[in-house]
Parts: sequence; structure tokens; C-alpha cells
Amino acid sequence: DSGVTQTPKHLITATGQRVTLRCSPRSGDLSVYWYQQSLDQGLQFLIQYYNGEERAKGNILERFSAQQFPDLHSELNLSSLELGDSALYFCASSVGSEGTQETQYFGPGTRLLVL
Amino acid sequence: AQKVTQAQTEISVVEKEDVTLDCVYETRDTTYYLFWYKQPPSGELVFLIRRNSFDEQNEISGRYSWNFQKSTSSFNFTITASQVVDSAVYFCALSVGDYKLSFGAGTTVTVRA
Repeated sequence: DSGVTQTPKHLITATGQRVTLRCSPRSGDLSVYWYQQSLDQGLQFLIQYYNGEERAKGNILERFSAQQFPDLHSELNLSSLELGDSALYFCASSVGSEGTQETQYFGPGTRLLVL
Repeated sequence: AQKVTQAQTEISVVEKEDVTLDCVYETRDTTYYLFWYKQPPSGELVFLIRRNSFDEQNEISGRYSWNFQKSTSSFNFTITASQVVDSAVYFCALSVGDYKLSFGAGTTVTVRA
């Protein structure tokens, strides 16, 4: 158990809908990262937050957005869902020290199926 | 741009055999970090090892060992005396200090009893 929690574990929805994925980082970690794992794209970095502020952005679609709250939990919002958004979405966390690359610990993931 | 290549798609071995996973990376940065993660059938991503570009010392941790060679941009990972519980997808990842991890495509390891 990495200490990173994600809810829900599974999510089934329809095209055009909007969903929210939730992540709680390990105790003491200030950085939260979101990744998408799909069969055709593999594991891809979406976005990172550090202590409430956006720090880095990857290949995140405009239909997707995220935020990190004062209690450090994070939410990833996916809207106008398409079939191709079906994937496993991971959240990871790290301490968040400046100037060094820390180990990212991953949550169990949320499996999203868009029908 | 950073790139990680795991040329082996699948490896199948019999229990107690050694398994070596290949990873080749590309980056122009002189400071970078390399990782191995494991994804068992249950789906979670489990951190295994981490190395920075200034430390080429190869180590052994239990049944795991790794061979980091900057001259060939390789970061290979070996499981000694494999067990059925080692069956998983193994990912090599690279970070150059912009905090994101760039993953390889993964190698599926199947250990047969």
C-alpha cells in the first residue's frame, strides 16, 4: 500500500458526460501528479500540482482540468467524455522538494469506461 | 525530448530462472533520474528502484539488481530466481527534473510454475 488513495475504483459512464476523479496524497506529500494509462498511448503524464498551484502540464486535453485543494487532495475533472477517454487514471504523490526529482508513489488508479 | 525504449514486449520464464529487462533511454540533459515500476495484474503501479545520472554504482537489493551504463544509455533490471508472484508488467521511466515521468511501453513478464 503506497499510502495514496483514489476514488472511485471503477467508473462507467456515457459519452458526453462529466466525471470527477479524486486523489488523496500520502501524508506529508505536497505534490500530486495525474497520469493516464491507455492501450494505445501507454502511460502519459497529464498534470502536476504542488501545494495548491499548477506546476507542470503534459498532454492534457482542454476538456480535462484538475485542481489541488488546501487539504492537498486533488480532483481531476473530465468533461464531454468520448469513447477514447476510457483508460486507467493514476494519481501519484511525492514530498515536493525543489531542485530534485523525488520518487512518485502511485495510487491504485481509477478505471474509467465510457460507453 | 526524452524517450524510453523497452524493446522486449513479453518475456516468459519458468520459476527460478533469472529475468533481465532491457531499458534504453534518450535525453540531452546531464542530470536525470531513472526508475523501475511494477504493475501486477491487480493494476496498481509499485515503485521498485531509482537511480540518478551521477550514480552509476550497480546494486543488488534482495532478488532485484540493476545495471546502469551511461555509455550505452541503458538501465537494465534483473530479477534473480524468479517467482510466480513476479508476474507483472515492468515499466522503466525517466525524469529530467521537470517532475514528470516519461514511461517506456512496458515489458510483460510471465513466470510459470
